[in-house]
Amino acid sequence: DAKTTQPPSMDCAEGRAANLPCNHSTISGNEYMYWYRQIHSQGPQYIIHGLKNNETNEMASLIITEDRKSSTLILPHATLRDTAVYYCIDPFSGNTPLVFGKGTRLSVIA
Amino acid sequence: DSGVTQTPKHLITATGQRVTLRCSPRSGDLSVYWYQQSLDQGLQFLIQYYNGEERAKGNILERFSAQQFPDLHSELNLSSLELGDSALYFCASSVAGQYYGYTFGSGTRLTVV
Repeated sequence: DAKTTQPPSMDCAEGRAANLPCNHSTISGNEYMYWYRQIHSQGPQYIIHGLKNNETNEMASLIITEDRKSSTLILPHATLRDTAVYYCIDPFSGNTPLVFGKGTRLSVIA
Repeated sequence: DSGVTQTPKHLITATGQRVTLRCSPRSGDLSVYWYQQSLDQGLQFLIQYYNGEERAKGNILERFSAQQFPDLHSELNLSSLELGDSALYFCASSVAGQYYGYTFGSGTRLTVV
């Protein structure tokens, strides 16, 4: 079972920031958090990962709380092409494959 | 193009039949993962191979089997097909142990009629 909790759906206006929350209260001290997204019927796509420091790449920013029990994925200027299901993943261990939960369905609205 | 190639893209077959799905991983990746995604289910992990050997098993039915060949391509065999096996089947590859390195193919859509 996935060890993360995400809202099932969110809406965001085009051009605005999309903030996707994730609770991972059982995460251990040395486990990274990973974010993937799946655009309709396509294979999932890696977005970003982090341990305890905030991270930023060309796709998104990841803000992690100091206690590491939650994080927020930020898409700074959402476009219609960002409409997708976003998965926050806390891997069980270093050698088990990624297990995807239900994720958050983000709808970007024009 | 993600670098992971899955064939065929679409497959329609009858109940009771057997099919083979093929996956060519991204160059340099030794691990291959298979996932199933049905309409009413999320992405379900089926099985992982690393450099030709089975590494991890998920919710894979006994009617399903897989293998990874010396050239690192993988095949997922589905037999005695049932209507409920209709789904998207994704293959992903990675350098083992790197969760951020999962690269997914575009999937095979299987329809059992």
